[in-house]
Amino acid sequence: AQSVSQHNHHVILSEAASLELGCNYSYGGTVNLFWYVQYPGQHLQLLLKYFSGDPLVKGIKGFEAEFIKSKFSFNLRKPSVQWSDTAEYFCAVTEYNTDKLIFGTGTRLQVFP
Amino acid sequence: ETGVTQSPTHLIKTRGQQVTLRCSSQSGHNTVSWYQQALGQGPQFIFQYYREEENGRGNFPPRFSGLQFPNYSSELNVNALELDDSALYLCASSYQGQGQETQYFGPGTRLLVL
Repeated sequence: AQSVSQHNHHVILSEAASLELGCNYSYGGTVNLFWYVQYPGQHLQLLLKYFSGDPLVKGIKGFEAEFIKSKFSFNLRKPSVQWSDTAEYFCAVTEYNTDKLIFGTGTRLQVFP
Repeated sequence: ETGVTQSPTHLIKTRGQQVTLRCSSQSGHNTVSWYQQALGQGPQFIFQYYREEENGRGNFPPRFSGLQFPNYSSELNVNALELDDSALYLCASSYQGQGQETQYFGPGTRLLVL
């Protein structure tokens, strides 16, 4: 069965530090890839998505992610985090032509001023 | 805000009871998916409804059931509640038919089973 791994469970950074959150998936076929964010007290919001084309995708709020097919990875990056980026980040995958989302367990990011 | 609404926001039930959760999809969307998010975990797919029919189901027992109405809103019903059913239940809507669907989530209903 398809699975998603997020190896960083809890990340603590100071403002202006760079961020990279890991995401690996298990399915070998064509996939669609997503990063969602859940700010404290708010609902899940889409940060960015990859369906096809340029493997480097840019999302909202300065986030980007790179799809590396050979590594089954879709890591999330931001060059300089802000306190307002404190949230839970979820990587998710759907197999091609389905939209059943399979989520990782999430990474809790805390950014201190 | 995504335009997906859920009710109620919070609910407390006791073991063995039944519960109904409701979701209104975003305007223009024809598909609703339900997810269960236990504390400290990522959301898990329960099932999806497309044009009023179940269109895929995750690893959840039959006591989890659902409905979709002609206006594409949806209900999630859980019978014979168990303590482990305590979780945040998320509804997501999308438009199926273009091949690259993106799901938009509502705020969730937090269910506590005592």
